[in-house]
Amino acid sequence: SQTIHQWPATLVQPVGSPLSLECTVEGTSNPNLYWYRQAAGRGLQLLFYSVGIGQISSEVPQNLSASRPQDRQFILSSKKLLLSDSGFYLCAWSVRPYGAFFGQGTRLTVV
Amino acid sequence: AQTVTQSQPEMSVQEAETVTLSCTYDTSESDYYLFWYKQPPSRQMILVIRQEAYKQQNATENRFSVNFQKAAKSFSLKISDSQLGDAAMYFCAYRSAGLGGSEKLVFGKGTKLTVNP
Repeated sequence: SQTIHQWPATLVQPVGSPLSLECTVEGTSNPNLYWYRQAAGRGLQLLFYSVGIGQISSEVPQNLSASRPQDRQFILSSKKLLLSDSGFYLCAWSVRPYGAFFGQGTRLTVV
Repeated sequence: AQTVTQSQPEMSVQEAETVTLSCTYDTSESDYYLFWYKQPPSRQMILVIRQEAYKQQNATENRFSVNFQKAAKSFSLKISDSQLGDAAMYFCAYRSAGLGGSEKLVFGKGTKLTVNP
């Protein structure tokens, strides 16, 4: 069966520090991978998605970047965090015709 | 670009009653998938139900069913015999299915469902 791992679950980082959130998927090949951000009580904002290794589509110009160094690994990064980067980050995978399956999420607080 | 609209920010229902959450979407595509997700307080996103646009029959999963009206671009979720554990945010989502279509999964802003004992 397929599983998705996302870590860390909680992160508190100072302004200006770097960020690296990692997501890995097991039990499937060549999935689509997604990074979403969710503000408290709000909807999901698509940040990046990837249809293959090294293929990244950015939805929102911002302080973040994404990479997919391996088929089932998706990384969200920042060189210098801003206060506005705080939020709940969700990684997800999908293959057609199914919907997306989500990781547990990372609660990021930038202080 | 495809958009998904959930016009009810909040809904409430009495335990054991039935509630319907609304969702409309805008697309020029004919082949796509629609989904409902549940996000409880733990914030884990859970896939509740899936509908393929080419299927006329409405999808059903136990107490959850949808009313899919393709011409009206409407996709509502009905929860029967509501339980306390159904309390959550519910998100409607769209995904293209055709060859060459976008791989993006587009979400609505969500409806917060409260279940009263």
